[in-house]
Amino acid sequence: KAGVTQTPRYLIKTRGQQVTLSCSPISGHRSVSWYQQTPGQGLQFLFEYFSETQRNKGNFPGRFSGRQFSNSRSEMNVSTLELGDSALYLCASSLLLGDGYTFGSGTRLTVV
Amino acid sequence: SQQGEEDPQALSIQEGENATMNCSYKTSINNLQWYRQNSGRGLVHLILIRSNEREKHSGRLRVTLDTSKKSSSLLITASRAADTASYFCGYNTGNQFYFGTGTSLTVIP
Repeated sequence: KAGVTQTPRYLIKTRGQQVTLSCSPISGHRSVSWYQQTPGQGLQFLFEYFSETQRNKGNFPGRFSGRQFSNSRSEMNVSTLELGDSALYLCASSLLLGDGYTFGSGTRLTVV
Repeated sequence: SQQGEEDPQALSIQEGENATMNCSYKTSINNLQWYRQNSGRGLVHLILIRSNEREKHSGRLRVTLDTSKKSSSLLITASRAADTASYFCGYNTGNQFYFGTGTSLTVIP
């Protein structure tokens, strides 16, 4: 079966712009979560959605938001980009909340 | 921060040797998982151990969990060059998911 698909793979944006990242989970998986990975902070949890509802949220400012659609696909939005938002953004899906996750290959965002 | 810590940060071994990495965390957990990441790509789920389990095996992987010490270890036996990667523990607290700082494993052929 197809894995978790993240688009785009690479993105370059300018400070102050906004960006939307997309994630298609494995078919049948209803939980989608997002993570930010940077060399300095490591892997940090952003939020998790289940059945279109945000169930858990990490410690990120309100500029980071997300949503999940009825087909379980999810989008993550970052507004007013800052240089520090440059990171690898990973999406993961699982059958149940908090269970073993299957990760996508990530979107590498560079803010200049 | 509730981020877990892993040690060692880096480990270099010869092919065929065993590799052990440890994870310590700070809060009660529902389960703990181990992942592998190759060269900044996506993470690959290796094994999940629930809070009421003490040990679990999967192929060449052995994971232990000590909830009283809030620690877990991952043992990779008979390592191969293809095992070269970064390894992360991740744990579910019920309302958040945290990752450890990672161990970079290099297996020398």
